[in-house]
Amino acid sequence: EVQLLESGGGLVQPGGSLRLSCAASGFTFSTYGMTWVRQAPGKGLEWVSAISASGVNRYYADSVKGRFTISRDNSKNTLFLQMNSLRAEDTAIYYCAKESGFRGPLDYWGQGTLVTVSS
Amino acid sequence: EIVLTQSPATLSLSPGERATLSCRASQSVSSYLAWYQQKPGQAPRLLIYDASNRATGIPARFSGSGSGTDFTLTISSLEPEDFAVYYCQQRDSGWTFGQGTKVEVK
Repeated sequence: EVQLLESGGGLVQPGGSLRLSCAASGFTFSTYGMTWVRQAPGKGLEWVSAISASGVNRYYADSVKGRFTISRDNSKNTLFLQMNSLRAEDTAIYYCAKESGFRGPLDYWGQGTLVTVSS
Repeated sequence: EIVLTQSPATLSLSPGERATLSCRASQSVSSYLAWYQQKPGQAPRLLIYDASNRATGIPARFSGSGSGTDFTLTISSLEPEDFAVYYCQQRDSGWTFGQGTKVEVK
C-alpha cells in the first residue's frame, strides 16, 4: 500500500524558514517523480514544486522560485521542501504527491501538513 | 503558463441527478488532463487521468471526455458521497490546476 506522510509544518514568523519532509512507502520511490501542492485556507489547489525521480530536474512555481528548494533522498525514501523567506501568503496545507509517470497525474497524496506564517 | 478555467463554480443538484463539470484550457493540453475529488478535511483523490481513464477503484458513474482545450467530467447519478469539490489539472506543460467546482446538495 502506497503511503505518503508529511511532517515539519508549524507556526513560523514572516521571513523565517521551515523544512517539510514526506516519508514514502509502498512503492519504489527512486523511480517516480514527486510533487508538492499547497492549499491556502478555503482556497483551491496550487502546484508548488516538482522533482524528477533522480533528483536532477527540479521545477518551481513563480510564487516560490528563489525561496523554496525541493530535494529528495532516495536512500531514505524521503522528499523534502526547504522553505525560506516565508510570507503570510505561504500559509497553507502542503501536500506531497506521487506522480504516476511521464506527464502522468498525481495518483497518491499525503494527508498534508499545515504551515502558518504569522507574527 | 497554461490556465485552466472550470465552470460552473458551484453546481447545486439533488442525489440521483446528473452532474456535468467543465474544464477549459487556455491552450491545447492534448489529453494530459486529470480530475480530482476533494472532500472537506481530506487530501484530493485522483478520479480520471488522460482525460477519460478512470483511476483504480473509481466507480463507473464517473466519466471524463474531451481533448485539446475542452474537457468534461460527468457523474451520471449523484450519490451522497459525491458532493465535494472537483479540480481539473493539466500535465502537458508544467503543472496547473483549475480553480475548482463545488458540487453541493440542492
